[in-house]
Parts: sequence; C-alpha cells; structure tokens
Amino acid sequence: KAGVTQTPRYLIKTRGQQVTLSCSPISGHRSVSWYQQTPGQGLQFLFEYFSETQRNKGNFPGRFSGRQFSNSRSEMNVSTLELGDSALYLCASSSTAQRDTGELFFGEGSRLTVL
Amino acid sequence: DQQVKQNSPSLSVQEGRISILNCDYTNSMFDYFLWYKKYPAEGPTFLISISSIKDKNEDGRFTVFLNKSAKHLSLHIVPSQPGDSAVYFCAARAKARQLTFGSGTQLTVLP
Repeated sequence: KAGVTQTPRYLIKTRGQQVTLSCSPISGHRSVSWYQQTPGQGLQFLFEYFSETQRNKGNFPGRFSGRQFSNSRSEMNVSTLELGDSALYLCASSSTAQRDTGELFFGEGSRLTVL
Repeated sequence: DQQVKQNSPSLSVQEGRISILNCDYTNSMFDYFLWYKKYPAEGPTFLISISSIKDKNEDGRFTVFLNKSAKHLSLHIVPSQPGDSAVYFCAARAKARQLTFGSGTQLTVLP
C-alpha cells in the first residue's frame, strides 16, 4: 500500500510570492491533516479535512488555506509569503478508526524556504 | 499556550541502557496520548499510544506510562539501540480534535 505522498519535496520562494503544496493520502483514508514544523516548535497544527470539509483549524493567519478534493487528495496554499513561513510542511492521513485514536500516517514533508 | 511540553530538547544514553523520555500536558480533556519517532528527512512515524483510561501500555522494547494526576507521560525504551536515535514527539488528542504535539526530544544512543 503506497504511503502518503507530498509534492514538491523542496521549494524555494521569495517574500510576497504564494505557494501551493499537494498531498495524496493513503488509499482509503478520508482524513487529511496538515502540520508545520519549525526548529524548536514541534509540529503546529494547520488544518484537518474530512470528506472535503474542514473539520478543525489551527491558529494560523488567513494567508494559510487548504482544501480537499473528492478523491481525498488535499492542497494547502500560503499567500504573501513571509520569511517566517520557512518550514517543513507535513501532511498526514488517517482512516476513520485511526482518527478516533489519533494515529496519523505522515508523508515526508515539503520543505519550503522563503528568501 | 503550550498544552503539551517536552522540557528536554536532547537526551544521550548508552547502548543497552534504558532511555526515558518525558512529557507534561495541561489539558485534562485529552483522551489519547501518543509517541511518534522522526528520522531526518522522513515524516514522523507512530510508535505507541495509550488511552487515558490506562496507566501503562507496552509494545516490545517500548513502554508508555501515564500519570493522570500529575498530567505526565513517559516513554521507556529498554534496551536502547543505536537505531533508536531519532527525535521523539509526544502528542495528545482531545475527542474529535486534532493531535497536539510537543516540541520533541532528540535521543542519541551511543554505541
């Protein structure tokens, strides 16, 4: 069974630009979550989608947005990039049962560098 | 407000000895607690979990202890192996809510 796939793996942008990151969950998983990882800050929750609906949202500015498609694939977008947005963005998927226990399957992440 | 705290950014242990990683939480609504392991250039992988109705869960070399009165969670690895060297994240979940992660502890197991 293929794991969670994130694209692109690495990207460099400049301040003010916007970026779109993509995530393909494990086949059959309908829940997709996004996290931002920065040094010393652990994983900060961005948002969670289930069956194309946003279920939970973290404490990030409106420049961060996401969506989920009918095939469960998800995208997140960051507009007007700032230097502080440089981070590893992690996508995770789970089945309904796993979601109840909190077990997530993570992709390898998309490392964004903002210059 | 950090609801899940890992106060030790790093820990070094000799191969074969016990590794103890600690985690404190503040939200009494958390009903599941989990540990994830992360190697460089990889996503975190689930290691072990415990429900709030239990105080211990064991899986091979890994045991998680939960002390609800102290709001404290610990992961014991016995015996520690060099391959266990990674960043360990503690996480907690309140019902129908997202996972909240700690800031991680870098474990180094010395051969």
